[in-house]
Amino acid sequence: DTAVSQTPKYLVTQMGNDKSIKCEQNLGHDTMYWYKQDSKKFLKIMFSYNNKELIINETVPNRFSPKSPDKAHLNLHINSLELGDSAVYFCASSQAGTNYEQYFGPGTRLTVT
Amino acid sequence: TQLLEQSPQFLSIQEGENLTVYCNSSSVFSSLQWYRQEPGEGPVLLVTVVTGGEVKKLKRLTFQFGDARKDSSLHITAAQPGDTGLYLCAGANNAGNMLTFGGGTRLMVKP
Repeated sequence: DTAVSQTPKYLVTQMGNDKSIKCEQNLGHDTMYWYKQDSKKFLKIMFSYNNKELIINETVPNRFSPKSPDKAHLNLHINSLELGDSAVYFCASSQAGTNYEQYFGPGTRLTVT
Repeated sequence: TQLLEQSPQFLSIQEGENLTVYCNSSSVFSSLQWYRQEPGEGPVLLVTVVTGGEVKKLKRLTFQFGDARKDSSLHITAAQPGDTGLYLCAGANNAGNMLTFGGGTRLMVKP
C-alpha cells in the first residue's frame, strides 16, 4: 500500500488558471506538509498542518492555500498561477515524537505555460 | 532563519571509491536527518541523528552528528552505482514542527 500519495503526477496549465493538488496519507500521522522543489532541487517547506494548527511559511504567496478535509488529507489549491510556480510539489507527513521524520509522496510536477 | 549548507553540490566518482558529504550550519538543531532522492520520486529517509557526537551506520553509509549539533557528515565506503542520487540533509528546530533542508548533493557513481 502506498504510504503517501499525490494526484496528479503531472500538471500542465496556463498562467492565470486555478488548480489543486491532492494528497493522502495512510500512515496515521498527525502532521502533513507541502514542500516546493525548484529546478535546482532545493526543497523548501511551504506549510505544515495538523488537526489543531496551520503553520504558514511567510514567503509563500497567499495565492497558495492548503485545505485539510480530515487528518489523512491535505490538498493544495493555487490561484492565478504564474510562470514562477512551475516546480515539483511534494506532500509529506510525520508523526509527533519522531523528530519530524518525513514520509514524502512521489511529487507533482507543475508546469505553467 | 536556519540555514544548512551542503558540500559538495556535485560529486562524480568511480565505483569503489569513498566519499564524504558535509552539512553545516551556524544553528543548533534538535535532530538532523539524511534523505536520498532518486529522479521522479520523493526523498526517502535514511537516518536520524539526535545526540551530539552520535554515529550511525547503515551498511556502507556512516552518518555523524557534530558535537555541537550544528553539523553532520555522510561517509560512503566503496560507492556503488546504486548509491547514485540526490542526498539531502535536514535539520529539525526546537521551536516548531518544521525541517530546514540543505541544498543537496548530487552524487553520481560510475561503474
